[in-house]
Amino acid sequence: QVQLVQSGAEVKKPGASVKVSCKASGYTFTSYGISWVRQAPGQGLEWMGWISAYNGNTNYAQKLQGRVTMTTDTSTSTAYMELRSLRSDDTAVYYCARDSTPYSSSPYWGQGTLVTVSS
Amino acid sequence: DIQMTQSPSSLSASVGDRVTITCQASQDISNYLNWYQQKPGKAPKLLIYDASNLETGVPSRFSGSGSGTDFTFTISSLQPEDIATYYCQQYDNLPRTFGPGTKVDIK
Repeated sequence: QVQLVQSGAEVKKPGASVKVSCKASGYTFTSYGISWVRQAPGQGLEWMGWISAYNGNTNYAQKLQGRVTMTTDTSTSTAYMELRSLRSDDTAVYYCARDSTPYSSSPYWGQGTLVTVSS
Repeated sequence: DIQMTQSPSSLSASVGDRVTITCQASQDISNYLNWYQQKPGKAPKLLIYDASNLETGVPSRFSGSGSGTDFTFTISSLQPEDIATYYCQQYDNLPRTFGPGTKVDIK
């Protein structure tokens, strides 16, 4: 069965970087992409971007351009999302989800990773 | 970016009631709309894709309709396990954008 298992919770100081991992299993990793979605405490869902696990092509949300990098390691079927220059409003649960394309639906999600940014 | 609105923001209904949520896009998105259910502390779960297609394994009491800018999500007979927040999401244009959510609970 398709599974996406994310790395554990992180606490970071403002200005630092965080890298969240998402290990996929149960399907051919390079046949799909991975989207990242975040949710601030008590707030709604925000799409951050998408990466193709086939060729590494990315689409990032404009508001995060320059601070976010999404990568994949096909040898371990793992996707990564790195966010730099962290601010307090980056405190959120970060989810990965399997997608076919950037313009598609996400039927499979990771369990979420809480990133707390606090001095 | 395409703005998505939902109404109501919250609702209370009795078990067995028919529940309807509306979602409106700021521009034509054809039928490129998903509906997700999210329970506290859990990841969103895809219920409906392409505005009206039921995801595999999702109970048939859930349904969706609409195209263009106006969409509707319906629970035909509310069950206790349906207590959750429901989000619409468009995927016609990037960035994909979500509605603000509708919190559903039991009266």
